Amino acid sequence: KAGVTQTPRYLIKTRGQQVTLSCSPISGHRSVSWYQQTPGQGLQFLFEYFSETQRNKGNFPGRFSGRQFSNSRSEMNVSTLELGDSALYLCASSLDPVYPQHFGDGTRLSIL
Amino acid sequence: GESVGLHLPTLSVQEGDNSIINCAYSNSASDYFIWYKQESGKGPQFIIDIRSNMDKRQGQRVTVLLNKTVKHLSLQIAATQPGDSAVYFCAVLNTGNQFYFGTGTSLTVIP
Repeated sequence: KAGVTQTPRYLIKTRGQQVTLSCSPISGHRSVSWYQQTPGQGLQFLFEYFSETQRNKGNFPGRFSGRQFSNSRSEMNVSTLELGDSALYLCASSLDPVYPQHFGDGTRLSIL
Repeated sequence: GESVGLHLPTLSVQEGDNSIINCAYSNSASDYFIWYKQESGKGPQFIIDIRSNMDKRQGQRVTVLLNKTVKHLSLQIAATQPGDSAVYFCAVLNTGNQFYFGTGTSLTVIP
């Protein structure tokens, strides 16, 4: 069974730009969650989607948004990038949030 | 809300010894807990989970202990091997179905 796939693996952007990250969950998993990982803050929850609906949202500004498609694939968008958005963005999928989440290897976003 | 903390940011053990990594959580209503292992350049990898109706669960070389009275979770790794060197996180599911993660313990296994 293929794991969670995140693309691209690495991205370099400049301040003010926007970026879209993609996540393909494990087949059959309908819940997709996104996290931001930084050395100082650890893993911070961004949002969770289930059957194309956002069910939970973390404490991030509105520049961070996401969506989920009917095939459970998910995208995350960050607009008006800031230097502080440099981080590893991780996607995790599960059958439902109360089941184990399985992570992809992340997208490393660097803002210049 | 929920706050999750690990007791030690780093831990060094001799190969073959047992390792114990600890985690404390704040919300007594939390009822699902997961331990993850993260190697450099990779995403967190599921190790073992436990629900609040249990106080111990064993896997291959790993045991998770849950003490709901003091809101404490631990991961024990038996006969630690060099391949166990990684950062270990605990994740706690709160009543809003959102996982909160500890800051991680970096385990170094000395050959």
